[in-house]
Amino acid sequence: DTGVSQDPRHKITKRGQNVTFRCDPISEHNRLYWYRQTLGQGPEFLTYFQNEAQLEKSRLLSDRFSAERPKGSFSTLEIQRTEQGDSAMYLCASSVTGGSYEQYFGPGTRLTVT
Amino acid sequence: AQRVTQPEKLLSVFKGAPVELKCNYSYSGSPELFWYVQYSRQRLQLLLRHISRESIKGFTADLNKGETSFHLKKPFAQEEDSAMYYCALRDQGGKLIFGQGTELSVKP
Repeated sequence: DTGVSQDPRHKITKRGQNVTFRCDPISEHNRLYWYRQTLGQGPEFLTYFQNEAQLEKSRLLSDRFSAERPKGSFSTLEIQRTEQGDSAMYLCASSVTGGSYEQYFGPGTRLTVT
Repeated sequence: AQRVTQPEKLLSVFKGAPVELKCNYSYSGSPELFWYVQYSRQRLQLLLRHISRESIKGFTADLNKGETSFHLKKPFAQEEDSAMYYCALRDQGGKLIFGQGTELSVKP
């Protein structure tokens, strides 16, 4: 297991198009988190899953954003009708639950909306 | 409101000088605090957490509840310490709340 992976690493799209990102967590991790990071800022929480259940969504996550984790393994984050303000690095992290668990981050998907 | 503040965007020091990266937090419960580091072209990774009270790569951080601070310190900076450093708070639900980050530049 090489850690959390994300695909694609880079995505350039035109305003108004839909995009979908994928995250594959570390295999035994039942929690999966999505964060967004814009230039000069720290990561901001978007949503997280425990197994296949989506337990929390940030107010940052507008109706154009949807995330799924259908079998409790990989997750997808879809953005519909992209806007220039969606340009950011989208980070995925995974962890186990219980105790003082560490979140392991993926390399991120950099989205550029033109 | 839950918030993490890192007042310095950039901290530049010479090799061998002491380093202190500041972090202040606002949280109504009992906080769990972390420092994450991101080296050039690498992913974000955990550096240390307050509950373990350990020293990693010579860095330490002490939680001061009275001052609501969790500053990161190292007595003698090395060039390989140059990176982005993020202070983060974990809330009861498990998500991390990050500060804006401080870029540490260690000059030879």
